[in-house]
Amino acid sequence: EDQVTQSPEALRLQEGESSSLNCSYTVSGLRGLFWYRQDPGKGPEFLFTLYSAGEEKEKERLKATLTKKESFLHITAPKPEDSATYLCAVQTRYNFNKFYFGSGTKLNVKP
Amino acid sequence: ETGVTQTPRHLVMGMTNKKSLKCEQHLGHNAMYWYKQSAKKPLELMFVYSLEERVENNSVPSRFSPECPNSSHLFLHLHTLQPEDSALYLCASSQGGPGSTDTQYFGPGTRLTVL
Repeated sequence: EDQVTQSPEALRLQEGESSSLNCSYTVSGLRGLFWYRQDPGKGPEFLFTLYSAGEEKEKERLKATLTKKESFLHITAPKPEDSATYLCAVQTRYNFNKFYFGSGTKLNVKP
Repeated sequence: ETGVTQTPRHLVMGMTNKKSLKCEQHLGHNAMYWYKQSAKKPLELMFVYSLEERVENNSVPSRFSPECPNSSHLFLHLHTLQPEDSALYLCASSQGGPGSTDTQYFGPGTRLTVL
């Protein structure tokens, strides 16, 4: 069964305290893995797409990496404005129309 | 207007009402999606349209009826809903088509409350 699991469910960090969020997946052939940021009451905002193991992408304080079983979103020296829920989604190779989302990690960065 | 817009942003309806949610994308994309987001649950894919044709229906109850009159507009018609249908309904679009990127861009959502 295709499945996406994100951990931890919630994460509290002090400003400047780096950490990583995890997205583990089991799908029958990965076409793409997507990271989104969602603020309360808003739609998800696209961050990264990763397509193959070993791929990495960076944007400001965020860096996403991909292996054959999981993806990490590394947050370096976070700021309070990085507080949000981070969502991971996978798209399977056998059905491009199917996207499976994890439950998200709610990040709270304290000043 | 840019990106993906949704109206209304908030909707309260009784179980016997009929209402519609509207989504419009200004990105020139060919695929559009409806998702349901409930508290503490992953986003649930409801419907997918590609080039105005429905290509995915994720076992959604018939009280939800989608309509895609053209590649820029998507509607979700609601009738005789249940309180458990209360959720944030998100619309998304992607470029679509062979060889294209499938990155989805989301609208702000419609917060639906069913009394």
